[in-house]
Amino acid sequence: AQSVTQPDIHITVSEGASLELRCNYSYGATPYLFWYVQSPGQGLQLLLKYFSGDTLVQGIKGFEAEFKRSQSSFNLRKPSVHWSDAAEYFCAVGPPNDYKLSFGAGTTVTVRA
Amino acid sequence: DTGVSQDPRHKITKRGQNVTFRCDPISEHNRLYWYRQTLGQGPEFLTYFQNEAQLEKSRLLSDRFSAERPKGSFSTLEIQRTEQGDSAMYLCASRGPRSYEQYFGPGTRLTVT
Repeated sequence: AQSVTQPDIHITVSEGASLELRCNYSYGATPYLFWYVQSPGQGLQLLLKYFSGDTLVQGIKGFEAEFKRSQSSFNLRKPSVHWSDAAEYFCAVGPPNDYKLSFGAGTTVTVRA
Repeated sequence: DTGVSQDPRHKITKRGQNVTFRCDPISEHNRLYWYRQTLGQGPEFLTYFQNEAQLEKSRLLSDRFSAERPKGSFSTLEIQRTEQGDSAMYLCASRGPRSYEQYFGPGTRLTVT
């Protein structure tokens, strides 16, 4: 069975600073990997996805993520955060051709002025 | 494309009452998923439909829970004899026939008093 670990429960970052959120997964082969963002009281919005190919993927809102097979990681990065990036971020994994996603517990990002 | 919609957005009910939630997926999305999200956690898979067929149910879905998608379009999730432990956000997602991304609705927040 697949699982996802997001080691950081809460991160505080200054506006304009860089951000990196960690995600480690457990799966026997290369899964499909996703990052979602959730604002308070809202559903989840897809930021980016990795299926195969180039291990550095670009997403919306200036986010990118890098897949590292040797480390079973899929970390999310943004070079310069904006106050509107304050939200909860979820990493998810799904086996290819399967249908259900397994999510990490999430990382809450606070942006200070 | 109006996105996934869910109704109601909020529901407060007394323990022991039955509740029903509705999800309208993105048009032409033949796959529909239900997830449950409790405070401080990521979403957990509940059940999955491909067209009108319910293909998998999580063990989280006790016999008090039932989901339907009668015409392969909208879906309903019913909880009978609600318990306080059912208090959560119930999220619906849909996916098209030629994609792997799941698109989430805003969720229905259930509070059982």
